Amino acid sequence: DQQVKQNSPSLSVQEGRISILNCDYTNSMFDYFLWYKKYPAEGPTFLISISSIKDKNEDGRFTVFLNKSAKHLSLHIVPSQPGDSAVYFCAASAREYGNKLVFGAGTILRVKS
Amino acid sequence: ETGVTQTPRHLVMGMTNKKSLKCEQHLGHNAMYWYKQSAKKPLELMFVYSLEERVENNSVPSRFSPECPNSSHLFLHLHTLQPEDSALYLCASSQDRQGLNQPQHFGDGTRLSIL
Repeated sequence: DQQVKQNSPSLSVQEGRISILNCDYTNSMFDYFLWYKKYPAEGPTFLISISSIKDKNEDGRFTVFLNKSAKHLSLHIVPSQPGDSAVYFCAASAREYGNKLVFGAGTILRVKS
Repeated sequence: ETGVTQTPRHLVMGMTNKKSLKCEQHLGHNAMYWYKQSAKKPLELMFVYSLEERVENNSVPSRFSPECPNSSHLFLHLHTLQPEDSALYLCASSQDRQGLNQPQHFGDGTRLSIL
């Protein structure tokens, strides 16, 4: 049973527009959420995170939104750039579980120029 | 440069071979992790070491044997693997602080193929 789900396997966006990547979770104990970006032949790179006490965290072009009641988070990238083309993983953890990360299956983002 | 270095990057081995994967972190972290990523599946946590003690073993078969000699180095010893063990093996590290969430930082992985 997947506790973290990324239901869109892929997303295609025009350069300069907004990319919105979605993630749903089922475990209400999760209290920390992260987004990672992965290029081919490289490991995942940490992008941005959010604690469950917040509903928004922003870092440059990247903003993560958390809706605890819906158990949903999203990553907004604006404006999207061709270099953003990668696989994006959502992950969640809970202090009660020793901060083990549970990952989604990933969404492939393609930004077209 | 991620601060987490994994060697080798690629490994092909037979089912009867013994090999080891190595991970080294230069970030001053006190926790290290092994993950497995199979094709079209999410990353799966295998082992967690915190302050050089194994704190998690996620029902991993005994043909995978981790070793953490110090807080900067982590090994995964492989013995009598099966074809389904072919995957990308990722190492990560983090600064484990009680009550504080910290992101994990990953190496580039070892692509393992079992013949």
